[in-house]
Amino acid sequence: ILNVEQSPQSLHVQEGDSTNFTCSFPSSNFYALHWYRWETAKSPEALFVMTLNGDEKKKGRISATLNTKEGYSYLYIKGSQPEDSATYLCALLHFSGSARQLTFGSGTQLTVLP
Amino acid sequence: DGGITQSPKYLFRKEGQNVTLSCEQNLNHDAMYWYRQDPGQGLRLIYYSQIVNDFQKGDIAEGYSVSREKKESFPLTVTSAQKNPTAFYLCASSALTGTGVNEQFFGPGTRLTVL
Repeated sequence: ILNVEQSPQSLHVQEGDSTNFTCSFPSSNFYALHWYRWETAKSPEALFVMTLNGDEKKKGRISATLNTKEGYSYLYIKGSQPEDSATYLCALLHFSGSARQLTFGSGTQLTVLP
Repeated sequence: DGGITQSPKYLFRKEGQNVTLSCEQNLNHDAMYWYRQDPGQGLRLIYYSQIVNDFQKGDIAEGYSVSREKKESFPLTVTSAQKNPTAFYLCASSALTGTGVNEQFFGPGTRLTVL
């Protein structure tokens, strides 16, 4: 079983602050990297799917970068808002036998204080 | 509305009883997945299916069984052999394309408590 690590486990920021968190994965198993946002009482929703080394993706105030050679991805949130409060999950897409499966990290729980 | 439904939202069962969790999708996705979440841990893959009448074990398949008789449905049975069944269960689906990197769409989950 692969190990996908996310840090920090949780953090609290003030409204308006920018923040970032990390996802680390074994680079030798890389096929793609997914980021999901999971708000309380809702279902996880995809933010980004990243496939190429050096990829940068952006959705509004949220962006992500990918380094497949060293095995990490960063998620950035600029000017955090209370509605950004959620758990952010990263997941490594890799081969398991002949099929591809996702292995998830345990998430970073973000709380944005008004 | 297209999406994934799971039922029930909460489920209580006595120890030793089998229980089946429902998952239905109308997204016309080929692939479906079952995950389990425990406190402080990431989602762990139980079973997945890429085509009707075929499925594969994930990382923690022991004590679980599935079927995929229809494209839209992927029920999960938690058997009495599962040593620690109390958990939150999420179902997901995704399209399958040549690259196979498509995002997964998740249902609302079922919280199973075994008493």
